[in-house]
Formats: sequence, structure tokens, C-alpha cells
Amino acid sequence: QQQVKQSPQSLIVQKGGIPIINCAYENTAFDYFPWYQQFPGKGPALLIAIRPDVSEKKEGRFTISFNKSAKQFSLHIMDSQPGDSATYFCAARDGGSRLTFGEGTQLTVNP
Amino acid sequence: KAGVTQTPRYLIKTRGQQVTLSCSPISGHRSVSWYQQTPGQGLQFLFEYFSETQRNKGNFPGRFSGRQFSNSRSEMNVSTLELGDSALYLCASSLAPGSYNEQFFGPGTRLTVL
Repeated sequence: QQQVKQSPQSLIVQKGGIPIINCAYENTAFDYFPWYQQFPGKGPALLIAIRPDVSEKKEGRFTISFNKSAKQFSLHIMDSQPGDSATYFCAARDGGSRLTFGEGTQLTVNP
Repeated sequence: KAGVTQTPRYLIKTRGQQVTLSCSPISGHRSVSWYQQTPGQGLQFLFEYFSETQRNKGNFPGRFSGRQFSNSRSEMNVSTLELGDSALYLCASSLAPGSYNEQFFGPGTRLTVL
């Protein structure tokens, strides 16, 4: 049973654009929401993470927005660059170490 | 500080064989989790080890097993390989179990079952 739904499946933007990736979850026991970036042939790399008591967190060009009542969270990438082209995964944890991942979004940033 | 290392990086096996994959966590990290990544199923949790004990297990058959050693290094074993076991197997380490301990992934072992 998929507990974290991610959209869109793929996304193409121009350099400088602001891609937005959305995730929705069902399990209200989730209490930690990280985002990972994965390049081909590499393992996922932690980008940024948020706890549900915070509505927004910004690190560099990456921002997470969190809506606890709607059980949704999203990743915004400001001033996107071709080097940001990768697959992005949202995830959620429920108090242990087990991560439940979304399906992934393949982002392409054109020059 | 060195990252999570996994060996081997690539592996080719035939159906019915068994395989052992190895993971060395970041120095000082004592929790190790394993994930399977496939195009169809995405990233799925296999199991988690802490202090040589399995703390959590995902929804995988008993052919998938693992262990952790006293130095926190971990191995996972898959017996009686099936074609569907072809995947990228990822290891992640964190300081300890618990939501707010960040997990760092290794590069993975690409297993191909023929």
C-alpha cells in the first residue's frame, strides 16, 4: 500500500524556473519528512528535511512547504540550474528509521 | 569523513544462486538500513539493524536476510535468487534509530539476476 504519493512523475523547466514537486501522505504517525536527490548511478542524497511542527524550511535554493492539516508537503527549487537535473524523492518516517518513499520525480532543467 | 561504502558495486548472478552484499556505515553511525530500488516498485525498505539486532523488517520474503556486526558493518543475503530480485540495493546509515537522525545512503550494489 502506497502511503506517500508524489507528483508529477516528470517535470521539465527552463534554467531559472521554479520546479515544484508535491507529496501527500496518509499515515498521521509520520513525523519527519526528508527529500532526496538521486543522480544516475548514485545513491539518494539527503537534500533537506522538515518536521510537521514547521510550515516552511529553506536551505539555499531548496524550500520545503508543509501543510499538516492537508497532509501534504512540497519541494520548491529556486533559480533552477541544469545541474539540478536528477530524480527527486520525498519520504516520510514514523518514529523509527524506516523511510517510506514517494514514487520519484524526474526533473530536467534545460539550459 | 568517508561516506557509506557498499561492496561489490555490481554483481551478476543466475537464478537459484545466493548472494551476499556488504555495507560499511559512516564512522560513528550505528544504525544501518537496507532498501531495494526497482523501476517498478521504487524504493522499498528491507530491514534495519542497530546494535547487531534487527529492529524492523519490510514486507519481503524470508529469502532476504541480514545481519550486523559489532563494528556496525552490515551484510544482507538473498538466497534462491529470482529474476525479480534484480535491483539496486541501497544501504543507509544513521547515528542511531529514530526519526530525527538523518540517514545517508551509499552508492548501492547493482544486482542482475539472469
